Amino acid sequence: QKEVEQNSGPLSVPEGAIASLNCTYSDRGSQSFFWYRQYSGKSPELIMFIYSNGDKEDGRFTAQLNKASQYVSLLIRDSQPSDSATYLCAVYTGGFKTIFGAGTRLFVKA
Amino acid sequence: KAGVTQTPRYLIKTRGQQVTLSCSPISGHRSVSWYQQTPGQGLQFLFEYFSETQRNKGNFPGRFSGRQFSNSRSEMNVSTLELGDSALYLCASWRGRGNTEAFFGQGTRLTVV
Repeated sequence: QKEVEQNSGPLSVPEGAIASLNCTYSDRGSQSFFWYRQYSGKSPELIMFIYSNGDKEDGRFTAQLNKASQYVSLLIRDSQPSDSATYLCAVYTGGFKTIFGAGTRLFVKA
Repeated sequence: KAGVTQTPRYLIKTRGQQVTLSCSPISGHRSVSWYQQTPGQGLQFLFEYFSETQRNKGNFPGRFSGRQFSNSRSEMNVSTLELGDSALYLCASWRGRGNTEAFFGQGTRLTVV
């Protein structure tokens, strides 16, 4: 079992729809959770982080964390073509180690 | 404030050779991580350095090594290159211990022929 798992996609949604990206992790002691966006040919950049159970909203983005289920998700409301990218889930497990998932490719169709 | 600088941007090496990649973190950041990115595998954790000491290491063979200098700059070395080492190598700079935002360099694209 991989430490951080994501559906590789591609996930295709129409413009204006809600895109839902999911991530599961194996280490119950994981402390911090991050979502990065990576455009083709570019480096990842942080879009959201969440430390506590529940929801965290930032503009069109909402991160959801459920530590009991070892599950973290990212919702993108009103999806735009510019949101088309690979979304990487990252989990800080402690001890100077952050593990990234393989990423989910998202396509937003105009 | 300058970002994370990785050099070189592109490298072509022959099997069996060795290579050294360099990463200069954001000023004031003391923690540097290295990742290997290949299609379908995402970012595979190589190692992390903090205050010149390797604090954690991923599941890569001993051919992969690294170090960090007193100015926080880090180097990664791969010896006896194999075709499968072809990848994008990303360096991440952390303000803290890793439970904060990672700032990535543009990466070094290594091609082994």
